[in-house]
Amino acid sequence: KQEVTQIPAALSVPEGENLVLNCSFTDSAIYNLQWFRQDPGKGLTSLLLIQSSQREQTSGRLNASLDKSSGRSTLYIAASQPGDSATYLCAVTMTDSWGKLQFGAGTQVVVTP
Amino acid sequence: GAGVSQSPSNKVTEKGKDVELRCDPISGHTALYWYRQSLGQGLEFLIYFQGNSAPDKSGLPSDRFSAERTGGSVSTLTIQRTQQEDSAVYLCASRRGALYNSPLHFGNGTRLTVT
Repeated sequence: KQEVTQIPAALSVPEGENLVLNCSFTDSAIYNLQWFRQDPGKGLTSLLLIQSSQREQTSGRLNASLDKSSGRSTLYIAASQPGDSATYLCAVTMTDSWGKLQFGAGTQVVVTP
Repeated sequence: GAGVSQSPSNKVTEKGKDVELRCDPISGHTALYWYRQSLGQGLEFLIYFQGNSAPDKSGLPSDRFSAERTGGSVSTLTIQRTQQEDSAVYLCASRRGALYNSPLHFGNGTRLTVT
């Protein structure tokens, strides 16, 4: 059974510092891995999607890497801003799961001015 | 529409009553998912619809839960005889076709409180 873990559960950094968020998964038979952001009382917003054949994806200040063989992904957010405060979740799509996503519990990030 | 729309945004109901939650996916998206997010918990998969295929109901927690999707668009999640443990945020998401490498788009959810 796939298990997705995100460490740490919470993180607080001063504005301007780089953020490093970790996601690990136990079964490497994934189709892709997706990072989401969730603001309080809102749904999830897709940030980056990395296909299993890719090593990384970049969008603006965000960069996500994927090491499928070791079951790890890292989301880097450069030069953090107070607006980056949110909960960040990773999710994997299994190759045999008809497109279902298996989510981690998330990392709650606070960026202080 | 511009995004996934869910209604109502909040629902308070008494234990034992039935509730219906609605989801309007993005136009043209044939894949639709329901997830549940309980306080302090991760997202729990409930059910998945893809086009005209039989839905994957493997995540429904009990037979009190059911969902349908009419005309390949709007979906309704029904919870019968609600219990306090059903209190959670119910999230709907849609994806373009069966393209697993297209991102999932979520609605803002329905917050269900069972008193």
